[in-house]
Amino acid sequence: GIQVEQSPPDLILQEGANSTLRCNFSDSVNNLQWFHQNPWGQLINLFYIPSGTKQNGRLSATTVATERYSLLYISSSQTTDSGVYFCAGSGGSEKLVFGKGTKLTVNP
Amino acid sequence: NAGVTQTPKFQVLKTGQSMTLQCAQDMNHNSMYWYRQDPGMGLRLIYYSASEGTTDKGEVPNGYNVSRLNKREFSLRLESAAPSQTSVYFCASSVGLGQGSETQYFGPGTRLLVL
Repeated sequence: GIQVEQSPPDLILQEGANSTLRCNFSDSVNNLQWFHQNPWGQLINLFYIPSGTKQNGRLSATTVATERYSLLYISSSQTTDSGVYFCAGSGGSEKLVFGKGTKLTVNP
Repeated sequence: NAGVTQTPKFQVLKTGQSMTLQCAQDMNHNSMYWYRQDPGMGLRLIYYSASEGTTDKGEVPNGYNVSRLNKREFSLRLESAAPSQTSVYFCASSVGLGQGSETQYFGPGTRLLVL
């Protein structure tokens, strides 16, 4: 099955800094999603992005399907951005495979 | 519109006991999922249901059973709990495959401790 690798595993930023999180897939995916898990455990869907670029406020995501990777950009980070960011994908079914996540800490 | 709800929020079991985790969604979604989250492992799919009346195994189905009671409700049952099933369990739902968006929406989770 598909394997998902996320990098970096941990990231510490000062408030206001920008960051890029990466997700690599071992095989082609046509269902790719990014999630944020806040410090209280709640999982929120950020993007459904099997290809192309999307933006939502300070967050944007780009997926290059032909090269099997996706990037999540966070600009002007805030302390509320802290948590774990997961990417997940599948190749034609609903069985999403999750990466192990990037733990982001934004310090004031 | 409550989204995806799960009960209970927290449960302690003894080895060998059984329990059912409940999940309901009010978004008229066709597909529902059960995941478990363990430290350092991300989320792993246990079972999913593409539509009412159908269920399918995910990555880690052993030790679990599911029931898609109706379009709204999808329950997860542990028949004989084991310490290895200590985890946080998440339910999720989506419109469905091929429906234009496979975006998954998650419930708040159930923390299960098996002693």
